[in-house]
Amino acid sequence: QSALTQPASVSGSPGQSITISCTGTSSDVGSYNLVSWYQQHPGKAPKLMIYEVSKRPSGVSNRFSGSKSGNTASLTISGLQAEDEADYYCCSYAGSSTPYVFGTGTKVTVL
Amino acid sequence: QLQLQESGPGLVKPSETLSLTCTVSGGSISSSSYYWGWIRQPPGKGLEWIGSIYYSGSTYYNPSLKSRVTISVDTSKNQFSLKLSSVTAADTAVYYCARIRTKEVWFDPWGQGTLVTVSS
Repeated sequence: QSALTQPASVSGSPGQSITISCTGTSSDVGSYNLVSWYQQHPGKAPKLMIYEVSKRPSGVSNRFSGSKSGNTASLTISGLQAEDEADYYCCSYAGSSTPYVFGTGTKVTVL
Repeated sequence: QLQLQESGPGLVKPSETLSLTCTVSGGSISSSSYYWGWIRQPPGKGLEWIGSIYYSGSTYYNPSLKSRVTISVDTSKNQFSLKLSSVTAADTAVYYCARIRTKEVWFDPWGQGTLVTVSS
């Protein structure tokens, strides 16, 4: 099971919106609405931001939203803020033999 | 509030076995709604799922590591453990434990992580 493909880096100015893609296959992203997204600041543990493609856990800003089309999931951050500068990882369920596959990670830079 | 904490040696010699324990506090590991998992992150690289365990003891392992990984659970201590055998420098990473929701499939919360270096 290969890692899901994410762009290495995405940048934007404060207040702008950015979108991070997460491309998998018909065996993972394309088959299940079980994509989650994690934010990781340097030296810190990942934090759950989105689950089941587009649901936000309690306490996560509504500036974060998720979607999916075919084999590609996306995370959009609107009203970009300095505190959003971090690494972001997607994760998808991929079936019972290899349940979880993570994305390659995207570094978000706030200009 | 549920918390997870990894513990174990920070330095392991090549060819030896890496052993880590995750202690769960603020909740029971014997919940039917969750798996408990190990994830690692080599320095400067991405996340890799290692394996997961249910409180009953049933396990799932990453096929790429399956031959070297054993995950076990001790419900009496509210802990689960990771053993990775025959380690090499490529196994140097920050190792995280996390709770995994079975149905909706998300990882939360995570432990703070522990760096394990493989070196002689």
